Amino acid sequence: SAVISQKPSRDICQRGTSLTIQCQVDSQVTMMFWYRQQPGQSLTLIATANQGSEATYESGFVIDKFPISRPNLTFSTLTVSNMSPEDSSIYLCSPRSYNEQFFGPGTRLTVL
Amino acid sequence: GQQLNQSPQSMFIQEGEDVSMNCTSSSIFNTWLWYKQDPGEGPVLLIALYKAGELTSNGRLTAQFGITRKDSFLNISASIPSDVGIYFCAGHNNNDMRFGAGTRLTVKP
Repeated sequence: SAVISQKPSRDICQRGTSLTIQCQVDSQVTMMFWYRQQPGQSLTLIATANQGSEATYESGFVIDKFPISRPNLTFSTLTVSNMSPEDSSIYLCSPRSYNEQFFGPGTRLTVL
Repeated sequence: GQQLNQSPQSMFIQEGEDVSMNCTSSSIFNTWLWYKQDPGEGPVLLIALYKAGELTSNGRLTAQFGITRKDSFLNISASIPSDVGIYFCAGHNNNDMRFGAGTRLTVKP
C-alpha cells in the first residue's frame, strides 16, 4: 500500500481566509481524489486531480472555491477558499493505484 | 459519486461476538473493497476482492465478492474492543469508485 501524508493534520481558521492542504504520496499514482467527510458521515468526492490538466469537479463543488493543483504524480494540493463555518470538515486525499484506492490521514478543518 | 447500500448503519455488540455487514448495488463492479476508519484517521484498506465469488480472509476478517457482482459482505469473528470504528465498502468499475455510507461498530468489553 502507498504511504500518504497530509499537511496540516488539523487547523482552526477564521471565516473568509483560505487554507491549502498538501498531500504527498511515496509512489507515483495516476489518479488522485479529494474527499470531504463530515464527522461520523460517509465520504463525499470533491474532485479528481489530474496531472497536467484542470481538476474534474463533482456536482456542488467548483474550482473557485476548491482550487486543486497536481504538479506531478506524487503530490497534490487542495485549497479551501474564502472559508465559512460550513466548510468545517475532514478533508482527505486519496490516491488510486490500478483498482485499489488508499486514503491519507486527513486534515481536520474547523472554521470559526 | 452515488453511494452503495450498506447495512446495518450501526451495530452494538459484546466482545467475542461475530459481526456481519454487507453492501449491495444495482450496478455490477469489477472490484469490491472494504475499509476501516478509526476516529481521527483516514480509512485503511482491509480487504480487496477482484473476482466474483471470491472469498478472502485477513486474520479474523472474511469478505466475499458476490456471485452477481452486485454485492459483498464482510464478517468479523470473535470481535475485540479495537474493532471499534466505521467500516466502509467500496465498489470499483473502470474509473468509477463508489462508497457505502458506512457501518459504525461499537464493541462492549
